[in-house]
Amino acid sequence: GAGVSQSPSNKVTEKGKDVELRCDPISGHTALYWYRQSLGQGLEFLIYFQGNSAPDKSGLPSDRFSAERTGGSVSTLTIQRTQQEDSAVYLCASSLQRGPYNEQFFGPGTRLTVL
Amino acid sequence: KQEVTQIPAALSVPEGENLVLNCSFTDSAIYNLQWFRQDPGKGLTSLLLIQSSQREQTSGRLNASLDKSSGRSTLYIAASQPGDSATYLCAVPSSGNTPLVFGKGTRLSVIA
Repeated sequence: GAGVSQSPSNKVTEKGKDVELRCDPISGHTALYWYRQSLGQGLEFLIYFQGNSAPDKSGLPSDRFSAERTGGSVSTLTIQRTQQEDSAVYLCASSLQRGPYNEQFFGPGTRLTVL
Repeated sequence: KQEVTQIPAALSVPEGENLVLNCSFTDSAIYNLQWFRQDPGKGLTSLLLIQSSQREQTSGRLNASLDKSSGRSTLYIAASQPGDSATYLCAVPSSGNTPLVFGKGTRLSVIA
C-alpha cells in the first residue's frame, strides 16, 4: 500500500462502551506502533509490536487498553469500558524493522470522542 | 527518562522569511532524531531523519541540524510560504528503545 491506513477516521461512542481501532501498516514493515495525542498533551506512546516478539505494552495507561496484531500485519487497538478521558486522536505508525535507526511513518489517525 | 522540549510553542512570520525552530532533549544518547509536520486534523508527515552520526540533513527548503553533545536540534525553513503553516514536531527514540518521545511542537503560521 501507499502508506499507513487507519479506520475509522472518526469514532463517537458513549461512556462505558467498547471500541476497536484498526491500523494497516505499510506493506513489509515489521514494526508497528500505537500512540495517543490528547488535547493539550503531546504524543504519548502506547504499545508496539515487532515481528513475532512479545509486544511492548509499557505505555498502555490502564488494563482497559489492549492491542493485537494478526499475521504480523494488521493491528487492532481495543479500549474497553471507555471513559471521557480516553477522548483523543489515536495514531498508528510503522517502520521497516526494529531498531532505533528506522524512520517511523504515521497514519492519519482515528479521532475518538467519548460522550 | 528522555524529555523533549520545543521552543517557541507558536510562531507567526510574514511570507518569505527564513526561520528556525528549536528542539532540545535531555538524554544525549540518541540514535536519531526525526522532524515531523502535522496539519490540523491530520496525521504526522515525516520531514527529515538525522542519524546520530550526522550533523545535518537537507530536503528542499528544509535543513535540520543535530548537536548531540548539547542535546539540541534545529529545523531551518528557508523562504517560508503560507503552505508551510502547520505544527512541527521533533522526536527521538526513548533511551535504549524505539518508541518515539515527542516534543509538544511549534505551531507555525506564515502570513501572506
